[in-house]
This record gives sequence, C-alpha cells and structure tokens, in this order.
Amino acid sequence: GQQVMQIPQYQHVQEGEDFTTYCNSSTTLSNIQWYKQRPGGHPVFLIQLVKSGEVKKQKRLTFQFGEAKKNSSLHITATQTTDVGTYFCAPRATGANNLFFGTGTRLTVIP
Amino acid sequence: DVKVTQSSRYLVKRTGEKVFLECVQDMDHENMFWYRQDPGLGLRLIYFSYDVKMKEKGDIPEGYSVSREKKERFSLILESASTNQTSMYLCASSFLGGNQPQHFGDGTRLSIL
Repeated sequence: GQQVMQIPQYQHVQEGEDFTTYCNSSTTLSNIQWYKQRPGGHPVFLIQLVKSGEVKKQKRLTFQFGEAKKNSSLHITATQTTDVGTYFCAPRATGANNLFFGTGTRLTVIP
Repeated sequence: DVKVTQSSRYLVKRTGEKVFLECVQDMDHENMFWYRQDPGLGLRLIYFSYDVKMKEKGDIPEGYSVSREKKERFSLILESASTNQTSMYLCASSFLGGNQPQHFGDGTRLSIL
C-alpha cells in the first residue's frame, strides 16, 4: 500500500524564521494537496500540485512538487504567529481514487 | 461557502453502545468521507462514498459501518463501541474526482467509557 512520510513531526521556530515541511511517498503520485489545521480547528485546503517540478506560491508560502512526483515540500518564509497549526500533505497515488493524508507537521511560532 | 455540519461537537458513550455520527453538506458534493484523527497518526480514512447508497472501505474500516441514503447526508456507525474508538472524527465532502479539494466539518470528539 501507499506509504507517506511527512517530516518533521514537530517544529518550533522563532517568529521571523523560515520553516519547511517535507512529504515523501513510496509511490509515484498523480497529484498532491496541502491542508492547514489551526489548533482546535479543522483541516482547510491550501493548494494542489499536479505537474512534475511544479512550484506555486501563496504570499509567504511556497509549495514544490518533485521532478519524480514522489515528494513535495511547503516552505514558509519569515513565519508569523498566524502560521501556527498543523500542515498536512495529502498525496494521491497514480491510479488511486483517494487522497492519503500524511501524519502532519505541527508548527509552533514563538513570538 | 461550503458548509459541512457534524451533528455533535462532543459525544460521550459507553462501551458496547451503538453510536451514530451524522454529517450533512450543502454543496451538492458527490463524495463524502469519514476520517479519524489521532495524535501522531494524522487523518486516517475510515469509509467514503461517491454516490447515494454507495460506499467504499478506507484504510481502517474495522468496527465501523456507514450509511448514505441521501446525497447530502453521510452517517458513520459504530456497531458496538469500544474504548479504542475514542478519537476525533472528521467528515469531509468534495466534488467527484481525485483532484478535488476536500471540505471538512468541525469534527466530533468521541469518548467511549
């Protein structure tokens, strides 16, 4: 079955520092979605990547899809306290019907 | 805005009880999903449905069943609740297709005593 590893599991950063979370799959992916879950909240869709090597930006967030379509990353530049939460990758393997959520990276931003 | 509503935010039940968790969406989505979320394990798919009366097993279906009698409503049933089913349960919905974003409800924190 599909295996997805998301690292790190936890990350504490000082406000203003950068942050990156990585998502690695054992199988080739059709697409990958990223979600953010604020403390006490529910996951909210951020973005989807489909093409090999694709890079998308949302303000301070940069999302990348690997050339081999087996890994992805989310990078936040100059973190703010509003970035606090758990970030999940949700890849879909080629031929699969559904997404498979990673274990998430819990980000804490220290003011 | 998409609205996915779960019937209870918090629920406490006893071992052996039959438990119903209800989810309603208002966006005419074909797909509906039930996940459970546990610390360190992320979101794990229990069951999903892509149409009325249709259901597919997810990664951890044991001990659960589902019902979808109407397009907007998807129910999760714990046939005989056990303590290891204490968890946060999240419902989600999306349009048909594996590249559609999922919209989540606020979750039900279920405690089995």
